[in-house]
Amino acid sequence: VMTQTPLSSPVTLGQPASISCTSSESLVHSNGNTYLSWLQLRPGQPPRLLIYQIFNRFSGVPDRFSGSGAGTDFTLRISRVEAEDVGVYYCMQAKHFPRTFGQGTKVEIK
Amino acid sequence: EVQLLESGGGLTQPGESLRLSCAASGFIFSRYTMSWVRQVPRQGLEWVSGMSYSDTFYADSVKGRFSISRDNSKNTLYLQMNNLRVEDTAVYYCVRDNGGDPDNPGDHWGQGILVTVSS
Repeated sequence: VMTQTPLSSPVTLGQPASISCTSSESLVHSNGNTYLSWLQLRPGQPPRLLIYQIFNRFSGVPDRFSGSGAGTDFTLRISRVEAEDVGVYYCMQAKHFPRTFGQGTKVEIK
Repeated sequence: EVQLLESGGGLTQPGESLRLSCAASGFIFSRYTMSWVRQVPRQGLEWVSGMSYSDTFYADSVKGRFSISRDNSKNTLYLQMNNLRVEDTAVYYCVRDNGGDPDNPGDHWGQGILVTVSS
């Protein structure tokens, strides 16, 4: 089970935002990788991979997005929220099947 | 450029069947596990099914009703959905799962296709 907090995050433009994700089990695979990803879902668009294996930014993702954590506890940070960051953010475990997602955190501008 | 194009969705009635297809291009399809993920309107993401070269995986909510398959010669992923229920109504996404280097499941998603189950 993946648990995200908060479920809603009103943020002022230019201010930071932080989302936590806790897994009910360790996401460390036997190959040594930790399969925790962060996805962004903007209205009218398919989900977009932001971060994979805890902290690796996917191609084209701005460096204001960063991931951290280990084992069962993970965090996504947006250093300075921009208008285009409005959407719902999900953590996802890909250590094993079935893949599971957090409930989603809605980031909106105050 | 990686592209995933879903087709086969639409409106159907409870108990009926639909088959979704996902045409993949821009990468070596056979090397990747592929998944289907759905988003129920105004709700979150739910992983539905996945398939490696030969192994298949299902969410409990669809086990026994949905069947995933692939044709590597056609670079196409399928999802056969039988005995559909109202709660299967969702946008279904085709997703490239693991198999790459670096290994980043979920790095590419199709645009999604709407399946509506209603009487």
